[in-house]
Amino acid sequence: GENVEQHPSTLSVQEGDSAVIKCTYSDSASNYFPWYKQELGKRPQLIIDIRSNVGEKKDQRIAVTLNKTAKHFSLHITETQPEDSAVYFCAGGYALNFGKGTSLLVTP
Amino acid sequence: DTGVSQDPRHKITKRGQNVTFRCDPISEHNRLYWYRQTLGQGPEFLTYFQNEAQLEKSRLLSDRFSAERPKGSFSTLEIQRTEQGDSAMYLCASSLGLAGLNTYNEQFFGPGTRLTVL
Repeated sequence: GENVEQHPSTLSVQEGDSAVIKCTYSDSASNYFPWYKQELGKRPQLIIDIRSNVGEKKDQRIAVTLNKTAKHFSLHITETQPEDSAVYFCAGGYALNFGKGTSLLVTP
Repeated sequence: DTGVSQDPRHKITKRGQNVTFRCDPISEHNRLYWYRQTLGQGPEFLTYFQNEAQLEKSRLLSDRFSAERPKGSFSTLEIQRTEQGDSAMYLCASSLGLAGLNTYNEQFFGPGTRLTVL
């Protein structure tokens, strides 16, 4: 099955800085890579996703890049705000195997 | 509320008892997923359905776990002879699957059922 590794496990940035979270996957047949944000006590919610036929996708302050050759994809958050503080999960594989999560803290 | 709903939201049981959880997906969604999440971890895939067919089941899933989606709408997850290690948040998600099994779209998660096994 798919194995998704996510790094770092914790990330602390100052408000206004950028944050980057990276994931690697093992199954070259994987073709859908979503990113979910989970605030404390709440359900995961999709923030951005990318399919294997594109290399980059952007939505305002959030972008995702995909390198199929290297089998890794990354989440980029620019101009971070305190409300970006949450746990972020990447996922891959046809049954959506999730990474272990990155706890992002944005300090004012 | 047109989102994914789960019932109950909390369940406390004694070790050895059976429990059953229900998930009602978004009505037009044909795919339904069950995950388990423990503190500090990502959701762990358990099983998924396309309509009423159970297409995939995690190899990590004990035979004490069984899931059904008899009419292709709501789903139930049963855990028999619960153990303390079963304590977790059980999440259900649904999505609209396009033609072909290898195409995936956004999953919408329910609020989860928190299980505590004493």
